[in-house]
Amino acid sequence: DTEVTQTPKHLVMGMTNKKSLKCEQHMGHRAMYWYKQKAKKPPELMFVYSYEKLSINESVPSRFSPECPNSSLLNLHLHALQPEDSALYLCASSQVAGGAHEQYFGPGTRLTVT
Amino acid sequence: RKEVEQDPGPFNVPEGATVAFNCTYSNSASQSFFWYRQDCRKEPKLLMSVYSSGNEDGRFTAQLNRASQYISLLIRDSKLSDSATYLCVVDGDSGAGSYQLTFGKGTKLSVIP
Repeated sequence: DTEVTQTPKHLVMGMTNKKSLKCEQHMGHRAMYWYKQKAKKPPELMFVYSYEKLSINESVPSRFSPECPNSSLLNLHLHALQPEDSALYLCASSQVAGGAHEQYFGPGTRLTVT
Repeated sequence: RKEVEQDPGPFNVPEGATVAFNCTYSNSASQSFFWYRQDCRKEPKLLMSVYSSGNEDGRFTAQLNRASQYISLLIRDSKLSDSATYLCVVDGDSGAGSYQLTFGKGTKLSVIP
């Protein structure tokens, strides 16, 4: 079963709010990713976790804070976001980290910052 | 910066037509290649990996030309349900252990009744 789940599906938040996005996979994958996708653009990599450790942070502002509580779960904590942060946030996983491995995406959280 | 280039389209084709997309990549060290499809406001879904020998999955055929650094996707007997944006994805490998996939901007396909 190649399924990655994400909650919530939609999120509207003000610039002073704190919220969290959640991602879960039960495929036994040891690499998990956060991407941001704006309309009509390809996904942009934000973070990579490999064996529950943060491996890559693509110069993402500190108002985005990732967390990997265990090998199946990935969170993205949001605080003091800006309207330009409105986008589709995608979680993905792969067997292990590395571009050679197929990544499977969750359905995404559509975030609107007001 | 490593680049993956695709014709954005749109490609408007009638049902039953054969359509081909090409994608070029700049990183000669890339080793892994994929086609994803993305429906409007949905997540990218893996369509197929692209192997050196080429591969076929039903109506879909993918080819890799390393010498010219391009990848192709051929769709035969197009269905209405094939309407989507097709993303060419290449590993950004500039050495061992690269985590990054480089995404093309996608080619939009509309299959018309």
